[in-house]
Amino acid sequence: SQQGEEDPQALSIQEGENATMNCSYKTSINNLQWYRQNSGRGLVHLILIRSNEREKHSGRLRVTLDTSKKSSSLLITASRAADTASYFCATVSGGSYIPTFGRGTSLIVHP
Amino acid sequence: KAGVTQTPRYLIKTRGQQVTLSCSPISGHRSVSWYQQTPGQGLQFLFEYFSETQRNKGNFPGRFSGRQFSNSRSEMNVSTLELGDSALYLCASRSSVTDTQYFGPGTRLTVL
Repeated sequence: SQQGEEDPQALSIQEGENATMNCSYKTSINNLQWYRQNSGRGLVHLILIRSNEREKHSGRLRVTLDTSKKSSSLLITASRAADTASYFCATVSGGSYIPTFGRGTSLIVHP
Repeated sequence: KAGVTQTPRYLIKTRGQQVTLSCSPISGHRSVSWYQQTPGQGLQFLFEYFSETQRNKGNFPGRFSGRQFSNSRSEMNVSTLELGDSALYLCASRSSVTDTQYFGPGTRLTVL
């Protein structure tokens, strides 16, 4: 079963625009991770944010976490065609190290 | 460091056959997890091995099994294949330092 659910399911934007994806989850977490997957390939880890953190940055990526709302967002600034991919959030809860993945957001960036 | 490798990359089998997939984790990583990805069910956790022991298990039938060797390489086996087993099978090794999972490119299994 999915813990995190991404919104929107699909997003289509022009190069240079910002892309925002949201993730909501149901139970308390230890950390939340964002991954990218290019079509039919393996997942690439983007950012891990722990439950006691509110915001993290990595290059053009910005992740926020609001544990009171049980939600996270991933912002990609100045998007490029190469950012076209599916983006997944994954939560780690309790004593398990195993992330539980959402269904993903499919992002298309038009050149 | 070399990344996670999976072999084979593509596989075609027929119903009733069995298949073995292989995964080599990043050097130094002792935890290896397996996931099944399908359009209908998304990414589903199969099992995790740590130091040759299965530490966590997802909700899959007993036809799905795995093992880990002393060098941390892992294999997963699916017996009596069904059409619904067609999927991308992903292996990931975990860094105990950063809590980050690193995924391999996957094995695309097609069951005819």
